[in-house]
Amino acid sequence: DQQVKQNSPSLSVQEGRISILNCDYTNSMFDYFLWYKKYPAEGPTFLISISSIKDKNEDGRFTVFLNKSAKHLSLHIVPSQPGDSAVYFCAARQNYNFNKFYFGSGTKLNVKP
Amino acid sequence: KAGVTQTPRYLIKTRGQQVTLSCSPISGHRSVSWYQQTPGQGLQFLFEYFSETQRNKGNFPGRFSGRQFSNSRSEMNVSTLELGDSALYLCASSLAAHESNGYTFGSGTRLTVV
Repeated sequence: DQQVKQNSPSLSVQEGRISILNCDYTNSMFDYFLWYKKYPAEGPTFLISISSIKDKNEDGRFTVFLNKSAKHLSLHIVPSQPGDSAVYFCAARQNYNFNKFYFGSGTKLNVKP
Repeated sequence: KAGVTQTPRYLIKTRGQQVTLSCSPISGHRSVSWYQQTPGQGLQFLFEYFSETQRNKGNFPGRFSGRQFSNSRSEMNVSTLELGDSALYLCASSLAAHESNGYTFGSGTRLTVV
């Protein structure tokens, strides 16, 4: 049962424009959310996180928004750069004390020059 | 500092065989988790070890097992390999259970079962 879903397998955006990656979840007990970025032949790398007590977290060009009532989070990248082209995974954790994350299936972002 | 090291990077095995994958976490990290990545399925949690104890386990059959040594290095074993076990196996380590930046992942071991 997929508790974290990324319904868009791919997204193509022009350089300089905004990229919006979406993620939905079903478990209302999730208390922490993260986004990871993955390049081919490399492991995922941490990008940004948000606690369930917040609705927004910003880090440079990256902003994550959390809508708990809709069980939805999104990652905004502004402005998008060709180097941002990668697969993006959202992940969620239910129990603060354990490192068990539920991952979405990923969205492949292509930023065109 | 050195990152998470997984060996081997690539592996080809035959159905019915068993395989052992190795993961060396970042120095000082005590938590090691394993994930299976298959196309379209994202990363599926296998298990987590902390101070040589398995703290959490995903929904995988008993053919998948693991252990952690006193130096925090971890191994994952899959017995009686099936074609569906072909995947990228990722290991991740963290200092503790609730770091704000989650895990640091290794580059993975690509297992192909033929």
